[in-house]
This record gives sequence, structure tokens and C-alpha cells, in this order.
Amino acid sequence: EVQLVQSGAEVKKPGESLTISCKGSGYGFSSYWIAWVRQMPGKGLEWVASFYPGDPDPTFSPSFQGHVSVSVDKSISTAYLQWTSLKASDTAMYYCARRMAGSRAPNQPYFDYWGRGTLVTVSS
Amino acid sequence: SYVLTQPPSVSVAPGQTARIPCGGNNIGTKSVHWYQQKAGQAPVLVIYDDTDRPSGIPARISGSNSGSTAILTISGVEAGDEADYYCHVWDRSRDVVFGGGTKLTVL
Repeated sequence: EVQLVQSGAEVKKPGESLTISCKGSGYGFSSYWIAWVRQMPGKGLEWVASFYPGDPDPTFSPSFQGHVSVSVDKSISTAYLQWTSLKASDTAMYYCARRMAGSRAPNQPYFDYWGRGTLVTVSS
Repeated sequence: SYVLTQPPSVSVAPGQTARIPCGGNNIGTKSVHWYQQKAGQAPVLVIYDDTDRPSGIPARISGSNSGSTAILTISGVEAGDEADYYCHVWDRSRDVVFGGGTKLTVL
């Protein structure tokens, strides 16, 4: 069974650093892209970044470029989303999702499995 | 940048058919995917590649895509279908694009 297990909720102060994680199991972790998606309270889904575990060059949404970073530890099938200086506006639920290429349109992928999300609260 | 437009809300009585539109420039040339997000839960894929259903998704949920509008159709709506629904396409300039989401209310 494919699973993406995310780390627990975090409460931080503005300016602090944070790393949240997403551990994949039940499939070949290194063979699928992973994406991070933000959902602010009461709002819609926003794409943050996508990366391939075997490729050191992730793709970021322009809205998040320079504010977050992503990394991976293939040895433990875990992806990370990192902040060096949090802002109150980073308060949101963050989901990781596995990216799957469809058979009819391999260059227009979708997200077939999602983690349950990590709630990040940034408040002074 | 590519924009997907969804109505904020759709309401339907139990047993009726709900149609949730997703508009975009020539969206009919793209593959559209749909996610269902129930309150307090993570999104779940319900339609991919315009019309395909993942295993476990009932046949009364279907999708279509043509011209400038993709549509998610839910037939025989049940109380358990009440959720937010998001359309999604891949765009070369911005990678992932989500619609703003539509809240389906079952009256």
C-alpha cells in the first residue's frame, strides 16, 4: 500500500527555522516526483515545489522561490520542506503528494497519493 | 500565466446531478485532473486525464473536457459528496496550476 506519512504539527515564532518531512512507503520512492502543496486556512490549494528524488534541481512556484527549500534523503525515502526564517504568513497546512504521469498524457501528470498534511503555525 | 476558474459554490439536492465547471483558455487541449477534499482531510484524486477514475472512485463521478471548460459531474449526489473540489492542469510555464476550488453543498 502506497503511503506518504508526514511529520506532526509545528508551532514556531517568526524568524525561526523549520523542517517538515514526508516519508514514502509501499513504492519505489526514488522513481516518482514529489510535490509540496500549501493550503492556507480556509483557502485553496497552492503548488509550492516539485522535485525528483534522483535530481538535485527542483522546480519552485515563483511565489515560493527563495523562501523555502526542498531536500531528500533517499536512504530513508523521506522528502523535506525547509524554511530558514518563518513568517506569520507561512501559517498553513502543507501537503506532500506523489506525482504520477498518466498513460494518455505523460507530460501532464497528476497527484495520485497525498500525505495527511503538516499544520504549521507561526505566531509570536 | 495560465488561470483556472471555478465557481466558489454549487448546491444540489440529494439524488440530483451536480456539475462543477473549470474554465481555462483552450483547456480542452490539456489533461484535467480533479480532487475531492472533505472537511479536515487531505485531497483525494477522483478524476485524472479528463475522464479516468482511480480504483475505488464510484462510476457516478465522471469528467469531461472540451473547448474552454472541463466539467466534473456527480450523479445521484449523496450527503457524503459534500466537499471542496479542485481542478488541476499542468502548465509548462508554471508547472502545477490549481483552480480556486468549488464547495459542493448537498441541500
